[in-house]
Amino acid sequence: GESVGLHLPTLSVQEGDNSIINCAYSNSASDYFIWYKQESGKGPQFIIDIRSNMDKRQGQRVTVLLNKTVKHLSLQIAATQPGDSAVYFCAENKDTGGFKTIFGAGTRLFVKA
Amino acid sequence: GAVVSQHPSRVICKSGTSVKIECRSLDFQATTMFWYRQFPKQSLMLMATSNEGSKATYEQGVEKDKFLINHASLTLSTLTVTSAHPEDSSFYICSAPTSRAPDTQYFGPGTRLTVL
Repeated sequence: GESVGLHLPTLSVQEGDNSIINCAYSNSASDYFIWYKQESGKGPQFIIDIRSNMDKRQGQRVTVLLNKTVKHLSLQIAATQPGDSAVYFCAENKDTGGFKTIFGAGTRLFVKA
Repeated sequence: GAVVSQHPSRVICKSGTSVKIECRSLDFQATTMFWYRQFPKQSLMLMATSNEGSKATYEQGVEKDKFLINHASLTLSTLTVTSAHPEDSSFYICSAPTSRAPDTQYFGPGTRLTVL
């Protein structure tokens, strides 16, 4: 199967601070990107998505930025809370005659109280 | 809406036995479902695409005779790990898109398989 990277980098932030999680994607032809949150022992949860014709999208406390020039995606979490502690994955949809979702390496976010 | 369930949530089996994992879309129909495997501290790796009424499509390096997939209805896909060995121990997760959001995957809670 496909996956990008086999290690989980870690980001540790103080409660109330803003968090920025970065991701590099692989396929310049991908046109849809998603951020997922995964808590321990659970399946991924959808957080926010963005299409390639946009460079920024905002949700509740979260913002996704897309830089197609350097194939970079970021997730910004405002006023990080202890409940935000989890592993965050970026994912890209590849169209292979039927799309499939390929996950990036993931980043573990620790929120210190 | 868009709830995906998996059963069982955890399973422990002896080496050499087969284990079946079910993935159900509870409030929508899914002509396509996806199966992922996740090892500890690693990302999700796509194993195969399950297609209702036709054969599954496997990713490169995934043995189709080892991981049997059956998508017999619009709400159920099953993954059977045949002749399981300790190296098959992993977290198996399924997902499905909905017709109103075909680009977005909704994930099941995962199944923890431990092979002794």
